[in-house]
Amino acid sequence: GAVVSQHPSWVICKSGTSVKIECRSLDFQATTMFWYRQFPKQSLMLMATSNEGSKATYEQGVEKDKFLINHASLTLSTLTVTSAHPEDSSFYICSGEKTGAYNEQFFGPGTRLTVL
Amino acid sequence: SQQGEEDPQALSIQEGENATMNCSYKTSINNLQWYRQNSGRGLVHLILIRSNEREKHSGRLRVTLDTSKKSSSLLITASRAADTASYFCATVEETSGSRLTFGEGTQLTVNP
Repeated sequence: GAVVSQHPSWVICKSGTSVKIECRSLDFQATTMFWYRQFPKQSLMLMATSNEGSKATYEQGVEKDKFLINHASLTLSTLTVTSAHPEDSSFYICSGEKTGAYNEQFFGPGTRLTVL
Repeated sequence: SQQGEEDPQALSIQEGENATMNCSYKTSINNLQWYRQNSGRGLVHLILIRSNEREKHSGRLRVTLDTSKKSSSLLITASRAADTASYFCATVEETSGSRLTFGEGTQLTVNP
């Protein structure tokens, strides 16, 4: 199998603080990981593509200074929401890409962020 | 940006009935994938269909792909209450590597 974990599964923080979310591929190496955001009853929106050892590629409209991504190893990528505000409250989901015939993405269980 | 549109947005059926969800997209694709998401959870990969395939089966799931119409459908046969979830299609465009673009999703409710 291919398992991706996220930590924490949920977090509540005060406005202005920073929150770090971890995404780990547990049984495979992921050169590439993806970060998505999902608002209630909506679809997943790709925020950025994280590549091990290099800078992340951000989608249009996503502030790179606000959503810091670090892909320090082949099994770990982190997303830090800096100076969080209530509008950043969302469900954040990561995926790890497992190379193969289709370079399939395996998704983590998501992190629910609530900013008060 | 989302390129996929799914219909219906919401579907409510009785156990044992079949559920059909449709997905349309705009660009040329390498493959199309269907995912399931239970409320507040991550995504579970259901099935992948390549651009040169027209139909694929997996258990109670049947997926079709019509590249001329840029559309796909997911059929769940003999539905169960446990099939209640949101279902998303996602495309991998020819020029986007492995990047997934998700459709808006269909919320399926199967009533016991």
